[in-house]
Amino acid sequence: SQQGEEDPQALSIQEGENATMNCSYKTSINNLQWYRQNSGRGLVHLILIRSNEREKHSGKLRVTLDTSKKSSSLLITASRAADTASYFCATDASYSGAGSYQLTFGKGTKLSVIP
Amino acid sequence: DVKVTQSSRYLVKRTGEKVFLECVQDMDHENMFWYRQDPGLGLRLIYFSYDVKMKEKGDIPEGYSVSREKKERFSLILESASTNQTSMYLCASRHTGTSGGYTFGSGTRLTVV
Repeated sequence: SQQGEEDPQALSIQEGENATMNCSYKTSINNLQWYRQNSGRGLVHLILIRSNEREKHSGKLRVTLDTSKKSSSLLITASRAADTASYFCATDASYSGAGSYQLTFGKGTKLSVIP
Repeated sequence: DVKVTQSSRYLVKRTGEKVFLECVQDMDHENMFWYRQDPGLGLRLIYFSYDVKMKEKGDIPEGYSVSREKKERFSLILESASTNQTSMYLCASRHTGTSGGYTFGSGTRLTVV
């Protein structure tokens, strides 16, 4: 079953506004990652936050992680039209020990930034 | 940088054919994964492997099998392709350690006619 669930499913904003996407998950994780995908293109890794971290910044991205609530948020500040894409959260978790891991994705948030 | 290479970018196969999708990584990673991506459904895990000859079923293994004879290569096999297996297939490799990130291949868009 899918671990991460993004909210909202779709988001439409004007250029210059901030975009916030949320992700909830169900089990213990090693880290949580956000990816971006332009239509018809491959996945681009944006940022990784470890389970012992609460907030992380990368350029105009800000990610928070609340392990007590099993939730994360991705903030894109001052959005541009070029930020239009689908954004996915994914959780990395151990699978039955022995060095085995599993990365589980949500269904994504489709962001449209209107010029 | 880690490189994950999927052998084909686009494939067209006929119903009933046996299809092999190949994935190779160049960093001696132990964990490798196969996903399929469909509109509105996100990425769904088909199979994964954490060592040579080891494999685990993901969320949607039906109609698929995998092979990992060497550490760097993880193959996805469609035993008898069907039209509902038309999809984008993505391979990934996990960086070593508990805080590892992932590197994805560029994907294979498979069409079964």
